[in-house]
Amino acid sequence: DSGVTQTPKHLITATGQRVTLRCSPRSGDLSVYWYQQSLDQGLQFLIQYYNGEERAKGNILERFSAQQFPDLHSELNLSSLELGDSALYFCASSPRPGGFSEAFFGQGTRLTVV
Amino acid sequence: QKEVEQDPGPLSVPEGAIVSLNCTYSNSAFQYFMWYRQYSRKGPELLMYTYSSGNKEDGRFTAQVDKSSKYISLFIRDSQPSDSATYLCAVLGNQFYFGTGTSLTVIP
Repeated sequence: DSGVTQTPKHLITATGQRVTLRCSPRSGDLSVYWYQQSLDQGLQFLIQYYNGEERAKGNILERFSAQQFPDLHSELNLSSLELGDSALYFCASSPRPGGFSEAFFGQGTRLTVV
Repeated sequence: QKEVEQDPGPLSVPEGAIVSLNCTYSNSAFQYFMWYRQYSRKGPELLMYTYSSGNKEDGRFTAQVDKSSKYISLFIRDSQPSDSATYLCAVLGNQFYFGTGTSLTVIP
């Protein structure tokens, strides 16, 4: 168990809908990273937050947004969902902003868009 | 051209074999090179990372970076069935870029 908690584990929704994925980082970790893993694109970095502020941005679509709350949990919001958004969404956390080497991943949320 | 290209595999080897996993990258400015291991239905875990070029060893694992040819490798010695997983290479530039992963099966 990495200590990073993602909910829900599975989500099935229809095209055009909006969903929210939640990530609770390990105790003491201030940085949260979001990734998308699909069969055709592989693992892609979406966005990173550190202590509530956006730190780095990757291949995140405009239909997607994220935030990190004062209690350090983070949410990834996906809207106007398309079939191609079906993927595993991972969250990772680390103590420091540049701490990828200390980052641990959660078990992911599997999103299926039908 | 993708930032990182990885041999897709899959790779199947007998227990005890030496495994070589490889990636190439496009941007000579990349300085951090990582290898992740991902077991089925789990999140990736960082195995090793190197900064700039050279080798790094950790037990049975050796990561190698050749910046002149933009080539990164992971070697696994004395492979074990527990090494069966998908291995992803990654580089860090202004963001993380990942290879597509190589599925490895070590047969007892």
